[in-house]
Amino acid sequence: AQSVTQLGSHVSVSEGALVLLRCNYSSSVPPYLFWYVQYPNQGLQLLLKYTTGATLVKGINGFEAEFKKSETSFHLTKPSAHMSDAAEYFCAVSDLYNQGGKLIFGQGTELSVKP
Amino acid sequence: GAVVSQHPSWVICKSGTSVKIECRSLDFQATTMFWYRQFPKQSLMLMATSNEGSKATYEQGVEKDKFLINHASLTLSTLTVTSAHPEDSSFYICSAKKLVANYGYTFGSGTRLTVV
Repeated sequence: AQSVTQLGSHVSVSEGALVLLRCNYSSSVPPYLFWYVQYPNQGLQLLLKYTTGATLVKGINGFEAEFKKSETSFHLTKPSAHMSDAAEYFCAVSDLYNQGGKLIFGQGTELSVKP
Repeated sequence: GAVVSQHPSWVICKSGTSVKIECRSLDFQATTMFWYRQFPKQSLMLMATSNEGSKATYEQGVEKDKFLINHASLTLSTLTVTSAHPEDSSFYICSAKKLVANYGYTFGSGTRLTVV
């Protein structure tokens, strides 16, 4: 079975500061890993994903994440936070070998950005 | 791009009535669609997986007779909440997976259901 744990249900940073959202996963097979952002009363938008290959993945809006197999982590970072980054962020894992694989989501982290 | 249209975006219904939510992939064929439920300030809970032309696979604890899922074509899946009760009030989100995969999932914008 696969699972995802996001450390910290709420993270607050100042505008311009580093954003670090933590995600650890559990999977018995090579995982596909995803980060999504959700604004209030909206669906999810893909920020980035890791499937195979380069472990440092760059996404939209300046976000990036690094897949670390030894640490079973896929933390999301952004060098400088903007007010518009305030939202809910979800890490998710799926089964690499199951092409119909469902996404399993973490609990979510709410990011607040202070002026 | 890949676009998924979910309709309606919000709906209010009376207890005991049924509500249908549509999820359409507008510019791609979706072999698989997923239906999620999200309570306020919580994560997405997978309800069921639907494949075109076959019966949906429901997650444990999800009542298949209450949440009817139909996936009649490669571009349309529907979720019908039957005999709705106030506890069914929630945010429902669909997701579609492309037929030809770069292993992408695209999400609809969600439906806010309120049962009164």
